[in-house]
Amino acid sequence: EDQVTQSPEALRLQEGESSSLNCSYTVSGLRGLFWYRQDPGKGPEFLFTLYSAGEEKEKERLKATLTKKESFLHITAPKPEDSATYLCAVQASGTASKLTFGTGTRLQVTL
Amino acid sequence: EAQVTQNPRYLITVTGKKLTVTCSQNMNHEYMSWYRQDPGLGLRQIYYSMNVEVTDKGDVPEGYKVSRKEKRNFPLILESPSPNQTSLYFCASRTNTGELFFGEGSRLTVL
Repeated sequence: EDQVTQSPEALRLQEGESSSLNCSYTVSGLRGLFWYRQDPGKGPEFLFTLYSAGEEKEKERLKATLTKKESFLHITAPKPEDSATYLCAVQASGTASKLTFGTGTRLQVTL
Repeated sequence: EAQVTQNPRYLITVTGKKLTVTCSQNMNHEYMSWYRQDPGLGLRQIYYSMNVEVTDKGDVPEGYKVSRKEKRNFPLILESPSPNQTSLYFCASRTNTGELFFGEGSRLTVL
């Protein structure tokens, strides 16, 4: 059974204080690993897809990396508007239909 | 504007009273799915549809029905709602590269 574990559950940072969120996964062959951002009262919003170990993607202050067992979402010099819940999901090879989501990391960035 | 639209956004109902949550997308996506989100459990897939007239069960299909008569619409039907179906529901459609577009969510309370 595919599993996704995200840590920490919650993270509080000061503005400008860089950190990383972790997504550990077990899957029978990885087709893709996805990162989403979810603001309170809203649906998740797509950030990145990673397909193979060693791959990296960046968007503004966010950088996602992938190994064979985990993915990291690095946040560099965060701002208050980066406050949100960040969700990780995996899709197994041979599965066109299913994403397995983690429970998310709730990030709060304060001034 | 590309979007997934769900209605109603908020609903309070009573046990056993049939209800339908509508979902419509304007991106001509073939794949659509329904998720429920509960604290500590993350997003779990209820049903999905690979195309018109093609639907299948996700991880938690009990107590739900769906139909896909048109490409743009994918309603979720609760024939006889129970309190354990109180949850936040999301509809999503998917691009060919696997990116999910989510609706704004429908918060359902069953008394």
